[in-house]
Amino acid sequence: GAVVSQHPSWVICKSGTSVKIECRSLDFQATTMFWYRQFPKQSLMLMATSNEGSKATYEQGVEKDKFLINHASLTLSTLTVTSAHPEDSSFYICSAASGGSSYNEQFFGPGTRLTVL
Amino acid sequence: RKEVEQDPGPFNVPEGATVAFNCTYSNSASQSFFWYRQDCRKEPKLLMSVYSSGNEDGRFTAQLNRASQYISLLIRDSKLSDSATYLCAVDYTGFQKLVFGTGTRLLVSP
Repeated sequence: GAVVSQHPSWVICKSGTSVKIECRSLDFQATTMFWYRQFPKQSLMLMATSNEGSKATYEQGVEKDKFLINHASLTLSTLTVTSAHPEDSSFYICSAASGGSSYNEQFFGPGTRLTVL
Repeated sequence: RKEVEQDPGPFNVPEGATVAFNCTYSNSASQSFFWYRQDCRKEPKLLMSVYSSGNEDGRFTAQLNRASQYISLLIRDSKLSDSATYLCAVDYTGFQKLVFGTGTRLLVSP
């Protein structure tokens, strides 16, 4: 299957700082990328969908000014958690697909574990 | 009611056992269905898509029951390496917006 990488794999930061997470599709062009968040013992929750070159679409309850998403190229999307607080500590996972329909399999990155002190 | 529900388990089974998981979904307009496997602190990996006609991949069989709004996963001849959390995911939109269940944990013991 296709390979998606995330960087960093883990990060610890102080409350109030901003953290940028990168998601890259290494061997295919990802027209659509998704960002999920998973709290301990909970399901993955879709935060937003981004299409290359356009603004991300955020799910209900996700603050777009707090979670900035940029999908500037077909192989890179970034999620910036601005002014992070302890409640933002979570496992952030991206996925990438070569198209937007259900026939295009999503390939998941290895995730980024964020801890905000 | 949650959109996608799974029994969290854990299901403790011996090697060689057959085990089945169900996942119910609330939106009757759901279009696509998937089973993922997630190991501890790792990303989910697609196990199989679930089709109306059912599908089988080796020891794994997935079924869809649209009338009762559930999907199932059957694992035969369980291996120790099958120990993981099994997530079902449903796409309501047709545009890959997956809604995941909380997962069912499987522990296979020697």
